[in-house]
Amino acid sequence: AQSVTQLDSQVPVFEEAPVELRCNYSSSVSVYLFWYVQYPNQGLQLLLKYLSGSTLVKGINGFEAEFNKSQTSFHLRKPSVHISDTAEYFCAAGGKAAGNKLTFGGGTRVLVKP
Amino acid sequence: DAMVIQNPRYQVTQFGKPVTLSCSQTLNHNVMYWYQQKSSQAPKLLFHYYDKDFNNEADTPDNFQSRRPNTSFCFLDIRSPGLGDAAMYLCATSRGNSPLHFGNGTRLTVT
Repeated sequence: AQSVTQLDSQVPVFEEAPVELRCNYSSSVSVYLFWYVQYPNQGLQLLLKYLSGSTLVKGINGFEAEFNKSQTSFHLRKPSVHISDTAEYFCAAGGKAAGNKLTFGGGTRVLVKP
Repeated sequence: DAMVIQNPRYQVTQFGKPVTLSCSQTLNHNVMYWYQQKSSQAPKLLFHYYDKDFNNEADTPDNFQSRRPNTSFCFLDIRSPGLGDAAMYLCATSRGNSPLHFGNGTRLTVT
């Protein structure tokens, strides 16, 4: 069985500062990893994904994430945030063993302050 | 643009009154999912269709049913909504190992 843990439920950050959102997963099989963003009263939008290959993954809106197999982590980073990055961020794991079903972490709420 | 469309965006129903939420897609994806998301929580998978095959999650209450009459449409039926069923309901689609594409959700209020 898979599980996904997002270590921070809320992250306040000042505009133009860097941010890192932490995600750890556990799985007995190979996983695919995703980060989604959710703005208020909207669905989830894919930021980036790791399926295989390079462990550093670049996504939309200037976000990137690094897959670390030894630490079972997939942390999300952005070097300089904007007010518009205020949203909820979800890390998720899926894979062939799970029938492509996603297991979500509990989410991290990012609040960007001016 | 190809997309996942959920109607309505907001739905109000009365306690115990059946309600149906709809989802359509133009992506031609073979897998469709329904997730329930309560306030400040992660989405929780209720069930999914792999082509025409229905797959229910073990902890999904019997009160929740689904129909998929064709590739493009999928419905979520709540037979007797309770106050605890108030939530955002998200539809998503995928094909193979592609990432899930989500609709904008339907926010259900139960009065």
